[in-house]
Amino acid sequence: EVQLLESGGGLVQPGGSLRLSCAASGFTFPSYAVNWVRQAPGKGLEWVSGVTGSSGKTYYADSVKGRFTISRDNSKDTVYLQMNGLRVEDTAIYYCAKESTSTSSGAFDYWGQGTLVTVSS
Amino acid sequence: SSELTQDPAVSVALGQTVRITCQGDTLRSSYASWFQQKPGQAPILVLYDRDNRPSGIPDRFSGSRSGNTASLTITGVQAEDEADYYCNSRRDTSGNGLVFGGGTKVTVL
Repeated sequence: EVQLLESGGGLVQPGGSLRLSCAASGFTFPSYAVNWVRQAPGKGLEWVSGVTGSSGKTYYADSVKGRFTISRDNSKDTVYLQMNGLRVEDTAIYYCAKESTSTSSGAFDYWGQGTLVTVSS
Repeated sequence: SSELTQDPAVSVALGQTVRITCQGDTLRSSYASWFQQKPGQAPILVLYDRDNRPSGIPDRFSGSRSGNTASLTITGVQAEDEADYYCNSRRDTSGNGLVFGGGTKVTVL
C-alpha cells in the first residue's frame, strides 16, 4: 500500500524557517517524482515544488523560488522541503504528492494527508 | 502563459451530465490531470493524460481536449460527486514546473 506521511509543520514567525518531510512507503521510491502542493485556508490548490525521480531535477513555483528548497534522500525514501524566509501568505496545508511517473507531469496518483504551516507573529 | 482558468462553480441535477472546463495555452501541447477534493480531505486523482482513469475511479468520469481547453465530464452525476474539482498541467511549454486551475465547485441538486 502506497503511503505518504508529511511532518514538520507548525507555527513560525514571519522570516522564520521550517523543514517539512515526506516519508514514503509502498513503492519503488527512486523511480517516481514527488511534489509539494499547498492549500491556504479556504483557497484552491497551489503547486509549490517538485523533484524528479531519475535525475533529481527540481522545479519551483515563482512564489517560493529562492526561499524554498526541495530535496530527496533515496536511501531514506523521503522528500524534504526546506522553507526559509517564511511569509504570512505561506500559511497553508502542505501536501506531499507522488507522480505516476519519474518525470513531472502533474498526474499525482497518491497524496499525503497534509501538514499545517502557520506563519504568524 | 502559466495560467489555467476554471469556472468557479457549476450546478447539476442528480443523474444528469456536467462538463467542467480548464483553459490555458499550455493545454495545446500538454494534457491536463483532474483532481476531486471533498471538504477536509486530500485531493484524489480522477483523470490523467486526457482520458485515463486510475484504478477505482468510476467510468462516469471522462476527459477530452480541444485546442486550449481540457474538459472533465461526469455522466450520470451521483450525490457523492459533489466536490471541488481542479485541473493541472505543465506551467509552460518548456516543462518548467506545474500549475493548478482555480477549481470548480460542483453542486448536485
